[in-house]
Amino acid sequence: GAGVSQSPSNKVTEKGKDVELRCDPISGHTALYWYRQRLGQGLEFLIYFQGNSAPDKSGLPSDRFSAERTGESVSTLTIQRTQQEDSAVYLCASSLDRWKNTEAFFGQGTRLTVV
Amino acid sequence: DQQVKQNSPSLSVQEGRISILNCDYTNSMFDYFLWYKKYPAEGPTFLISISSIKDKNEDGRFTVFLNKSAKHLSLHIVPSQPGDSAVYFCAASGAEKLVFGKGTKLTVNP
Repeated sequence: GAGVSQSPSNKVTEKGKDVELRCDPISGHTALYWYRQRLGQGLEFLIYFQGNSAPDKSGLPSDRFSAERTGESVSTLTIQRTQQEDSAVYLCASSLDRWKNTEAFFGQGTRLTVV
Repeated sequence: DQQVKQNSPSLSVQEGRISILNCDYTNSMFDYFLWYKKYPAEGPTFLISISSIKDKNEDGRFTVFLNKSAKHLSLHIVPSQPGDSAVYFCAASGAEKLVFGKGTKLTVNP
């Protein structure tokens, strides 16, 4: 596709369940970011993948959060044993190359609601 | 440790007037700066950028100013339109990942 695609667009889950969010970046983009935005808050960095380098996981809020990326393609963000405070919009973005000054393109986000 | 700060969570402006959104950064290694706009229920979209070798970049109604000595940048929108009402995020990058500010919610009143 032409843009960053995220699925599902909406997810409602029960507290304690695991969820998996998917991101399809723009083809050829080596950098991929996950952010989340809680209601009324700003963008919160979660994790950053750049090519085959070790990911920057410094933003993951707890060990219940993990993410994977296969090469320079799809990424999945997994939240285990979801809690109500995990409710947020989870945004994925990709960019061409970290060594080139270029913008990142965002997907439409996944709205996660933990009930 | 917030490397990119947007100290005003909200701004309200009258239609036709100038909107000025501010952003401060702490990392002197940042060399590329961007502004994004976000409408509710949508992902942020890129608006305008500036390289550290410049101090101004203009695109239509949008102008970004960079003051490297003060580690400060600003986005000017003139004239402001009701459709500009959105959350604006400032972002910066260097050799590492993009770093975003918390955002400023702009409301342009008709």
